[in-house]
Amino acid sequence: GAGVSQTPSNKVTEKGKYVELRCDPISGHTALYWYRQSLGQGPEFLIYFQGTGAADDSGLPNDRFFAVRPEGSVSTLKIQRTERGDSAVYLCASSSVQGGDQPQHFGDGTRLSIL
Amino acid sequence: AQRVTQPEKLLSVFKGAPVELKCNYSYSGSPELFWYVQYSRQRLQLLLRHISRESIKGFTADLNKGETSFHLKKPFAQEEDSAMYYCALSGRNAGGTSYGKLTFGQGTILTVHP
Repeated sequence: GAGVSQTPSNKVTEKGKYVELRCDPISGHTALYWYRQSLGQGPEFLIYFQGTGAADDSGLPNDRFFAVRPEGSVSTLKIQRTERGDSAVYLCASSSVQGGDQPQHFGDGTRLSIL
Repeated sequence: AQRVTQPEKLLSVFKGAPVELKCNYSYSGSPELFWYVQYSRQRLQLLLRHISRESIKGFTADLNKGETSFHLKKPFAQEEDSAMYYCALSGRNAGGTSYGKLTFGQGTILTVHP
C-alpha cells in the first residue's frame, strides 16, 4: 500500500470489553510504533517493534495493554477490560530503520471510544 | 526523562506576516528534534528535522542547545500553513544510535487569516 493503514478507523465499545486495533505498515519498514493521543494532547509513545520483537514497551500504561507483530509486518494492539480512560486516538507509525535517522510515517489512527 | 513544551496552544497571524511557533525541550543527552504537521483531515506528517538543516515550505528551525529550544519560523505565512504543529524529540544513546520513539509536545494550532 501507499502508506500506513490502520483498522478500524473508529471503534465504539462498552467498558470492560476487549478490543484489537490493527496496523499495516509500509511494505519493507522494519520499525513500527504505537502512540496514543488523548483529546488536546500530543501523541504519547506506547511501544515500538524492530522486526518481530518489542524493542521498547516502556510506554504501555499497564498490563491490560499488549501488542504483537508475529511476522514482522502487521501489528495488533490489544486492550483487555477496557476503561473509559482508554478512549483516545491510537496512532501507528512505521519507518524503514529504527530511530530518527529515517522519518516515521503515520497512519490515520483508530478512534477508540469506551462507553 | 525527556519533555517537550509548546507554550502556545493557539497562534493566529495574518497572511504575509512572520510566524514563530515555540518549542522548548528537556533532555539530558543528545537530542534529535523534529517538527510534525497535521493539516485538516490529513494524517500527521514530518515537516522537518534539525539534522537535515533544510527549509521545507519556507519553514526553518534551528536547534539552540543553550536555550534548549527548536522554534519553527517562517518569514511570510500563507493561508495553507494553517494546521496543527507538533514539536517532537528523540534521544540518542552513547553510541549515537537514535532511540526512535518520539516525545511530542501538546501541539500548536496555527491559523493564518487572509
